[in-house]
Amino acid sequence: RKEVEQDPGPFNVPEGATVAFNCTYSNSASQSFFWYRQDCRKEPKLLMSVYSSGNEDGRFTAQLNRASQYISLLIRDSKLSDSATYLCVVTYSGGSYIPTFGRGTSLIVHP
Amino acid sequence: DAGVIQSPRHEVTEMGQEVTLRCKPISGHNSLFWYRQTMMRGLELLIYFNNNVPIDDSGMPEDRFSAKMPNASFSTLKIQPSEPRDSAVYFCASGTSVATEAFFGQGTRLTVV
Repeated sequence: RKEVEQDPGPFNVPEGATVAFNCTYSNSASQSFFWYRQDCRKEPKLLMSVYSSGNEDGRFTAQLNRASQYISLLIRDSKLSDSATYLCVVTYSGGSYIPTFGRGTSLIVHP
Repeated sequence: DAGVIQSPRHEVTEMGQEVTLRCKPISGHNSLFWYRQTMMRGLELLIYFNNNVPIDDSGMPEDRFSAKMPNASFSTLKIQPSEPRDSAVYFCASGTSVATEAFFGQGTRLTVV
C-alpha cells in the first residue's frame, strides 16, 4: 500500500468553480506536509506548505487533520492557469527528512 | 542561483547500453534525492543522500541501478544494462536537512528502445 494516497481525477471544472482535493497518509510519524504543483512535462514545484492550524494563500487553502491522517487543498475561483497535477507530499524523519509523494490529482479548468 | 541542473534533458538509448544521468544540486543544500516518475507508479524515491552519504537506497529497483555523490555539487545515477522498462522521467531534487521544500531539476526523459 502506497504511503500517500490521492484520487487521481481528473477533476474537470469550469472557470470560477471551487474544487477540493484530499490526500491520506499512512505513516503516523509523518512530520511535514506540502502541496506541489506539476505542469505537463515539467518538474514539480512547491505550491504551499500545510500547517496544523490550516493556512491560506490567496485562492488556495490547505488543511491538515493529524488524527485522521488527512490533508486537503481547496482552490476557490478556479482559473484556466490552475490546470495541472497537484501532488500531496508527506515527509517523515528518521534523523533526516524524506519527502514521499502521492501520485497526484489532475485538475482541468475549462472556459 | 541556477537551481538544480540535470543533464541530459533527453536520452534515447538501446537496450543493454549504459546510461548515466547527472545532477548538480543547489549550492548549500545538503540533501539530494533521485526520483523516477512514470504514469503507472507516479513519483518514486530511488535514493537519498545526506551530506554526500547514501542514507536510503531502498527504492533502487535492482543491481542494475547505482548512484554516487562524490562531492556536494555533483551526483550521478547509472543504469547498466538498461532495459525498456527503465523508460521514465528521472528527477533530481535537493534540499536541506530540515523539513523544508525539495527543489527539483527539470528532469531527464529516458527512453530505452
